[in-house]
Amino acid sequence: AQRVTQPEKLLSVFKGAPVELKCNYSYSGSPELFWYVQYSRQRLQLLLRHISRESIKGFTADLNKGETSFHLKKPFAQEEDSAMYYCALQAGTALIFGKGTTLSVSS
Amino acid sequence: DSGVTQTPKHLITATGQRVTLRCSPRSGDLSVYWYQQSLDQGLQFLIHYYNGEERAKGNILERFSAQQFPDLHSELNLSSLELGDSALYFCASSVTGYGNTIYFGEGSWLTVV
Repeated sequence: AQRVTQPEKLLSVFKGAPVELKCNYSYSGSPELFWYVQYSRQRLQLLLRHISRESIKGFTADLNKGETSFHLKKPFAQEEDSAMYYCALQAGTALIFGKGTTLSVSS
Repeated sequence: DSGVTQTPKHLITATGQRVTLRCSPRSGDLSVYWYQQSLDQGLQFLIHYYNGEERAKGNILERFSAQQFPDLHSELNLSSLELGDSALYFCASSVTGYGNTIYFGEGSWLTVV
């Protein structure tokens, strides 16, 4: 069965600290994975997708097929990074989302 | 602005009632998706339409139905509403549905009282 697991509901860090938001997936095929960000219950915005290997707003994510993970990382957190982050897996034509992790960055 | 338009933005209605949420996809996008976001269930995929045809169904209740019209806009119909249906309903669109970025609208807030 396809599934996306984000084990942390909330991650609190101080400004300037490194951030790692965890995402694990379960999928029998070749996975296509995404990270979306949502600020204050607004629309979801695509942060990055693994096939493009871009770095957006300083965030990166590497697909690790052996560990079935797609963790989101940023070396130095900013206060404006505070938001809800969703990991998503393209399963067929739909995106399956994890439950999300709230990132709170304080000064 | 993602280009996906949803109306209404906010809606308050009573239990037992029926509502219709509307979505206009980005220009050129043939796929429309509906998602429900609630505090306890997170983001749940409801249904996907491509060029007027249903392509995939997720956790959509029988009381809910959707369709995509020839002009590609979509409507999500929610009937016999219950308090637990209170949620943020997102529409999203993409060019085809396979390998394309999916863009989300601002959502429709539904409150059932």
